[in-house]
Amino acid sequence: DIQMTQSPSSLSASVGDRVTITCRASHDISDSLAWYQQKPGKGPKLLLFGASRLESGVPSRFSGSGSGTDYTLTITGLQPEDFGTYFCHQYYSTPQTFGQGSQVEVK
Amino acid sequence: QVQLQESGPGLVKPAETLSLICTVSGSSVSVSQYYWTWIRQPPGKGLEWIGYTYYNGDTKYNPSFKSRVTLSVDTSKNQFSLKLRSLTSADTAVYYCARAVVGAKRLDYWGQGTRVAVSS
Repeated sequence: DIQMTQSPSSLSASVGDRVTITCRASHDISDSLAWYQQKPGKGPKLLLFGASRLESGVPSRFSGSGSGTDYTLTITGLQPEDFGTYFCHQYYSTPQTFGQGSQVEVK
Repeated sequence: QVQLQESGPGLVKPAETLSLICTVSGSSVSVSQYYWTWIRQPPGKGLEWIGYTYYNGDTKYNPSFKSRVTLSVDTSKNQFSLKLRSLTSADTAVYYCARAVVGAKRLDYWGQGTRVAVSS
């Protein structure tokens, strides 16, 4: 199985800050990576796929980058509604696997 | 708009079989563009991919579950389902259903999840 190591596990940032979350895969996943946001009691929401492709309707302050084994989610200009848990997902190989999640608090 | 809703028992006994249904609206389980997927999250742990079923009945499973799980699709009801046998307390989790896009298998729509506890 491909292991996804995500960091940090939690962070606190102010409105307007730039926030970065990283995911490292144990093998090359060839950009087969998605990022999701989850709020308490809700199902996850797709933000980006293909490492850097923004899902329709997702604000442009969310961006993704990376290649090979290392990937990054960046929120540029954090907004109050961006609180929640973010996690990465590799769909390159079976079984698909997920990062452990990064909890974002907006001060 | 696309919506997925899980349903099933909140409590099951050890050694029994868990049956969950995902009801889909705003999208058809009969089309070839999507895989219909189950994921779970045990308390305090990360997400775990269980597998998916396809409109024609094809399936792909996580080897960790392969001997215990059956996924299927019911095109007449626009639903898909999960059966997980020989339950233990380790199967206590929130279970999610989701739609994955064929090709780039991103999970573009998820249900809100259903809590299942395995306990006598």
